[in-house]
Amino acid sequence: ETGVTQTPRHLVMGMTNKKSLKCEQHLGHNAMYWYKQSAKKPLELMFVYSLEERVENNSVPSRFSPECPNSSHLFLHLHTLQPEDSALYLCASSQDRSEEKLFFGSGTQLSVL
Amino acid sequence: GQNIDQPTEMTATEGAIVQINCTYQTSGFNGLFWYQQHAGEAPTFLSYNVLDGLEEKGRFSSFLSRSKGYSYLLLKELQMKDSASYLCAAGVGGATNKLIFGTGTLLAVQP
Repeated sequence: ETGVTQTPRHLVMGMTNKKSLKCEQHLGHNAMYWYKQSAKKPLELMFVYSLEERVENNSVPSRFSPECPNSSHLFLHLHTLQPEDSALYLCASSQDRSEEKLFFGSGTQLSVL
Repeated sequence: GQNIDQPTEMTATEGAIVQINCTYQTSGFNGLFWYQQHAGEAPTFLSYNVLDGLEEKGRFSSFLSRSKGYSYLLLKELQMKDSASYLCAAGVGGATNKLIFGTGTLLAVQP
């Protein structure tokens, strides 16, 4: 148990669906992250939030929309995804934006049909 | 550019020692992380090296050479539960940290 909880663990969606991934951290951290993990590829940083403010967006398509309502919760809203978006989406948190040690959730395995 | 290289797969025998290498080429470098990820689970922190040398933590040790852009993770007395993916990551940020990850090394421990 890393203190970071993600739901759902698995998600199958069609290209016209809208769904949301949820992440909650119980560590009192101030920074939260979304990563994409595809088979045989390095983890790709998607978004970074620090104190509920988005501080980084790594050229992610607009069909991915993050939301951070408070420092403990992070969402990733998905709409009109493509099959190549199928991957494991990992949430992580750290004490603050300058802290490099990350605590990861178990991820949401997403399949886009 | 930023680049991290590590082997894709390795196989070792229970009770043996295995060394997983990682080389990095980055602009800006703060330190080197190793994470362990079992299938279907969260990556978990194993070690962090900032200075050159070997850091030992139980059965796991991690080494860093900043001048060579090289690190390794050493696992001793291998157990079946050590079968997992091992992720090497370089910290390259300053005030706004950033981790550059390798593709991970999938280690299979056989009886």
